[in-house]
Amino acid sequence: EAQVTQNPRYLITVTGKKLTVTCSQNMNHEYMSWYRQDPGLGLRQIYYSMNVEVTDKGDVPEGYKVSRKEKRNFPLILESPSPNQTSLYFCASRQTGQGQPQHFGDGTRLSIL
Amino acid sequence: AQKVTQAQTEISVVEKEDVTLDCVYETRDTTYYLFWYKQPPSGELVFLIRRNSFDEQNEISGRYSWNFQKSTSSFNFTITASQVVDSAVYFCALSEAGWGGANSKLTFGKGITLSVRP
Repeated sequence: EAQVTQNPRYLITVTGKKLTVTCSQNMNHEYMSWYRQDPGLGLRQIYYSMNVEVTDKGDVPEGYKVSRKEKRNFPLILESPSPNQTSLYFCASRQTGQGQPQHFGDGTRLSIL
Repeated sequence: AQKVTQAQTEISVVEKEDVTLDCVYETRDTTYYLFWYKQPPSGELVFLIRRNSFDEQNEISGRYSWNFQKSTSSFNFTITASQVVDSAVYFCALSEAGWGGANSKLTFGKGITLSVRP
């Protein structure tokens, strides 16, 4: 089954404790992206990757890092999480080409205390 | 800069009513793509439909239909004979063409919470 898999689905942690949210897709997509969803703000892009070793900032990259060492994986790293990073996070991937729909993982709900 | 406005924030209807979700967009590109996504209470984001800026033909898929009008920059979504399972947050999104190495990110509206009561 074609899917985007995120782990963990839920995480409660404390300020300053480094964490990584993993994302993996099995569709051989070149493009991957991370979004965060906050009440009243909708979804906003954090980082994206056009291909292996090619990453760039989205609209709200502060406090986050990403890496793309393999095509299928695109982890999101919070080196020193803060409470304002409490949010629902989505990883997405899509085929190369204009206008291809992005397919989303099931989301990761992070709470930073 | 691109922008998507979903002016309705919450809509509540009784089962079997028809309901229309509005979406207005702004972009300076002549080539762009519009999407609708559904987020049920379980939280995942489900892709519903994509339209490109050159195709204004309206589309019907079962109880769902979409009305794309470039003249008013709108891409509205109608659910006919709504059902309780349609209860969800619905997002309209816009992507510019994204030539070469461009991001072509999705710009989302803030979403419309639809509640369908039995």
